[in-house]
Amino acid sequence: EAGVAQSPRYKIIEKRQSVAFWCNPISGHATLYWYQQILGQGPKLLIQFQNNGVVDDSQLPKDRFSAERLKGVDSTLKIQPAKLEDSAVYLCASSLGQKQFFGPGTRLTVL
Amino acid sequence: TQLLEQSPQFLSIQEGENLTVYCNSSSVFSSLQWYRQEPGEGPVLLVTVVTGGEVKKLKRLTFQFGDARKDSSLHITAAQPGDTGLYLCAGAPGGYNKLIFGAGTRLAVHP
Repeated sequence: EAGVAQSPRYKIIEKRQSVAFWCNPISGHATLYWYQQILGQGPKLLIQFQNNGVVDDSQLPKDRFSAERLKGVDSTLKIQPAKLEDSAVYLCASSLGQKQFFGPGTRLTVL
Repeated sequence: TQLLEQSPQFLSIQEGENLTVYCNSSSVFSSLQWYRQEPGEGPVLLVTVVTGGEVKKLKRLTFQFGDARKDSSLHITAAQPGDTGLYLCAGAPGGYNKLIFGAGTRLAVHP
């Protein structure tokens, strides 16, 4: 069974630039999550989708972050404009029940 | 705000030693999960505990959920270099599979 796919794996940008991350969840998983993991911290949930609807985006900085899951399958997370403090690993996960399966993450460095 | 505190933050031991890491909160969780994360990878689920006082074993790893469902521990017997990684606990406060992660314990097991 294929796992959660994410791209790119690494991204380096300058502050105020825009960036987008892509996630393809495990086939059939209705729930998709985006997490931000800052160095030395645990993952923090940014947004949770159930099919193509948003369940929880309470910790998403909506002035600069946006996410969509068109057609209820793959998803994109965008940051516009990026700040230095956005440097982190962005993890995507998917689940069918309680068990979440994580992708390898995208490491973003903002200079 | 529900927080999970993990201790110790870092642990460096020799192969064959035993160790225990802790995950504590002042809040009650409906379930608690333990994950291991290796560099450049996403977290991988090790176990889910649901019932207060529950003990689960996974080979040399023993997981315990506190009676009041506010804390948990992970004990590793005869640690091996392959156990090296970041151990994260994550609590589900209830509802729609939302997880709150601790900051993790970084374990290094030296041959």
